[in-house]
Amino acid sequence: DVKVTQSSRYLVKRTGEKVFLECVQDMDHENMFWYRQDPGLGLRLIYFSYDVKMKEKGDIPEGYSVSREKKERFSLILESASTNQTSMYLCASRSAGGPVTGELFFGEGSRLTVL
Amino acid sequence: KQEVTQIPAALSVPEGENLVLNCSFTDSAIYNLQWFRQDPGKGLTSLLLIQSSQREQTSGRLNASLDKSSGRSTLYIAASQPGDSATYLCAVGRSYNTDKLIFGTGTRLQVFP
Repeated sequence: DVKVTQSSRYLVKRTGEKVFLECVQDMDHENMFWYRQDPGLGLRLIYFSYDVKMKEKGDIPEGYSVSREKKERFSLILESASTNQTSMYLCASRSAGGPVTGELFFGEGSRLTVL
Repeated sequence: KQEVTQIPAALSVPEGENLVLNCSFTDSAIYNLQWFRQDPGKGLTSLLLIQSSQREQTSGRLNASLDKSSGRSTLYIAASQPGDSATYLCAVGRSYNTDKLIFGTGTRLQVFP
C-alpha cells in the first residue's frame, strides 16, 4: 500500500513564525502535491512538484514556498505565518504515469493554527 | 473554467439502504475522475479512479459511473453501513492542464443504525 506520511498532525504557531510542513512518501512517486482545505472552499492546490528540485505553482502559492531535495520528501514552508494560513494542509503523491493513469494518494493531513 | 458540484451537500440514511452520490462538472474535456472518502479530521482515501475512456469502475460495494457528455459521475454505495459515514469528494483531472485536479466540495454522508 502507498503510504504518504505527514510529520505533524497538529501545529500551533504564532504570527510571523517560520513553519515547515514535511511530507514523505514510500512508493517512489515522481509527483507530489500540497493542498489546503478550508470549510466552504474545498481543496485548493498550493504547489506541486514533478520531480526532485522541480516545482510548479498551484492556484494559491502566495505566502508559501516548497522544497524537494529528495524524491520521497516534499516540504511546504510558510516563511512568515499569518492567521489566514490557519487551515488543514494535505500532501499527496502520484506516479509519473500522470493523471491519465495515476491515482492520487493523500497523507493524513496537518492542521495548522496560527495565533 | 471547470467547476465541480456535488449535490446534496449532506445525506442521512438508515443502514442497509442503497444510495447514489452525484458529481457534476461543467467541462466535459476531462482525463479522469476520482472519488475519495474523508473521515473527520483526516486525509483523503482514494476509492475509485475512472479514466475518461471508461464508463464505470467497481470496488466491493462501490460502483462509480462516468458520463462525460452529460458532465456527470455517480457513486453508488450498496447496502450502506454505519462505517460508510464520511464525506465523499469527487475530483476531475483537467485535460488542458493535466496535473491539477478540480475538487468538488463533497457530500457528507451519515448512515445510522
